[in-house]
Amino acid sequence: AQKVTQAQTEISVVEKEDVTLDCVYETRDTTYYLFWYKQPPSGELVFLIRRNSFDEQNEISGRYSWNFQKSTSSFNFTITASQVVDSAVYFCALSDYSSASKIIFGSGTRLSIRP
Amino acid sequence: GAVVSQHPSRVICKSGTSVKIECRSLDFQATTMFWYRQFPKQSLMLMATSNEGSKATYEQGVEKDKFLINHASLTLSTLTVTSAHPEDSSFYICSAPGQGGYGYTFGSGTRLTVV
Repeated sequence: AQKVTQAQTEISVVEKEDVTLDCVYETRDTTYYLFWYKQPPSGELVFLIRRNSFDEQNEISGRYSWNFQKSTSSFNFTITASQVVDSAVYFCALSDYSSASKIIFGSGTRLSIRP
Repeated sequence: GAVVSQHPSRVICKSGTSVKIECRSLDFQATTMFWYRQFPKQSLMLMATSNEGSKATYEQGVEKDKFLINHASLTLSTLTVTSAHPEDSSFYICSAPGQGGYGYTFGSGTRLTVV
């Protein structure tokens, strides 16, 4: 069975601090996708990244970076120099490699950035 | 890019009435639609998968007769909450797979409040 664990329920940091959101996943599939989504208070899901299981290269996009380690089944997300606008709930998610498969979400991490 | 239009965004209904939520794919054909439910401060849980032209597949524990799903065409999937009760109050969001660079397109969600 597939499972995504986000052990950090809530994180609060002061603006400009770096913050890392942890994600650990379980799957028996050898090929799969991993995702991160942002959910602001309005509720819509904002796509941040999709990574396939073949590609373990770390990725950086502006202040965001992702560290994918198959050896530890982790896909952690780091925000550098956090800003108040980064405050939201962040979900890590997993799907198998089919283009029509469901996404399994983690429980989410509520991130609060204090000015 | 691919867009899924979800309506209504918010609805308040009286206990015992039924509510219909629509998800339309605006510029692509969605043969499959996933329906998720999110209780306050919780994760998104998959309720069911609708497929155009066939019966929906429900996740374990989801009442088929209470949450009626219809996928009438390649661009429209609907979720009807029948005889709604306060415990059905939640955020419902649909998702079509296989579109866009990241593989999934989400609707903007419907916040249902049953009073």
